[in-house]
Amino acid sequence: SYVLTQPPSVSVAPGQTARVTCGGSNIGDKSVHWYQQKPGQAPVLVVYDDSDRPSGIPERFSGSNSGNTATLTISRVEAGDEAAYYCQVRYSNSVVFGGGTQLTVL
Amino acid sequence: EVQLVESGGGLVQLGGSLRLSCAASGFTFRSYGMSWVRQAPGKGLEWVSYITSSGNTIYYADSVKGRLTISRDNAKNSLYLQMNSLRAEDTALYYCARDYGDLHPYYFDYWGQGILVTVSS
Repeated sequence: SYVLTQPPSVSVAPGQTARVTCGGSNIGDKSVHWYQQKPGQAPVLVVYDDSDRPSGIPERFSGSNSGNTATLTISRVEAGDEAAYYCQVRYSNSVVFGGGTQLTVL
Repeated sequence: EVQLVESGGGLVQLGGSLRLSCAASGFTFRSYGMSWVRQAPGKGLEWVSYITSSGNTIYYADSVKGRLTISRDNAKNSLYLQMNSLRAEDTALYYCARDYGDLHPYYFDYWGQGILVTVSS
């Protein structure tokens, strides 16, 4: 099986840049997708194929992927960005999610 | 507007059965693969199962293989999950999700609001 490792929590002040990492063996060879989930709501896709954004997602959300680490970067963080963030890859004919990272806006 | 609405959840006894449904609208349902993803209370996301647009190819997570069965009815724009031999660890919010992949699961661009399944002893 394939394991994705995320830090349980990340904290950042408003206006600063938040980076959420997702570690996996040679993850740079895979396409990584990111979801935002606010309390009581369904997940929302914020980045797909490492660095592409669905329509309606602010440009403040960006992604990168290389080696053994993929990163979701949120620039100019706002209070409304406070949420859990999950990375995800396809592995063989299944899907693997990271354990999730809770982003706290201080 | 893409809409996915789950139904059929509830409280079921250990070893019991339940059938979840997902009604899709706002897109050409028969053209998309679909997945079920679940989330245990206070936990992360877990992919459960995937079905291609035609229904001809199906994949399951090892944790549910042999107990849960995914299916679809393209004439009714509906996705289903038949859940048998339910265990306590199947207790979760179950999401229906539109899958971008159509040969295998890929990523999920639209999600329903989820339906709660509680397995009780």
